[in-house]
Amino acid sequence: QKEVEQNSGPLSVPEGAIASLNCTYSDRGSQSFFWYRQYSGKSPELIMSIYSNGDKEDGRFTAQLNKASQYVSLLIRDSQPSDSATYLCAVRGEKKSSGDKLTFGTGTRLAVRP
Amino acid sequence: NAGVTQTPKFQVLKTGQSMTLQCAQDMNHNSMYWYRQDPGMGLRLIYYSASEGTTDKGEVPNGYNVSRLNKREFSLRLESAAPSQTSVYFCASSLTGFANIQYFGAGTRLSVL
Repeated sequence: QKEVEQNSGPLSVPEGAIASLNCTYSDRGSQSFFWYRQYSGKSPELIMSIYSNGDKEDGRFTAQLNKASQYVSLLIRDSQPSDSATYLCAVRGEKKSSGDKLTFGTGTRLAVRP
Repeated sequence: NAGVTQTPKFQVLKTGQSMTLQCAQDMNHNSMYWYRQDPGMGLRLIYYSASEGTTDKGEVPNGYNVSRLNKREFSLRLESAAPSQTSVYFCASSLTGFANIQYFGAGTRLSVL
């Protein structure tokens, strides 16, 4: 079982729709969760971070965390063609030996149709 | 404020050649990281450095060495390049702690022929 799992996609949504991206993780003690966006040929850039159960909203983006279910998601409202990218889920583990290392999922490719 | 700067941006090597990828950050971050990204594999950690003078292996360290030259700079060396090391390499840095957010450089695209 991979430590951080994402559906590779592509997830195709029409412009203006809500895109829902999902991520599950195996380390039950994980404390910090991040969503990065990566455009083709570019480097990852942080979209959202979330540390406690519930929802966190920032503009059109909402991150949702459910530690009991070991599940984190990213909702993108009013999706735009410029949102077309690969979205990477990253998790910081509980163990002190892991330090500040993040474990990344393989990413979900999102395509927003005009 | 440049953030994380990687050099070179592109490189082509022949099998057996050596090279060093350079990374520097100007955000006064303690931790620095080297990743490789391959299609379908996501970002995989090669080495990381929690502070100046310390380095630790990540998930895929074989064939690589690193040096944390000072707080700003963290280099990755390929001693004898192999075709399996063809990849995109990213350097990242972060503060230390619970809410660490990693900031990435633009990447180095390496081809080993």
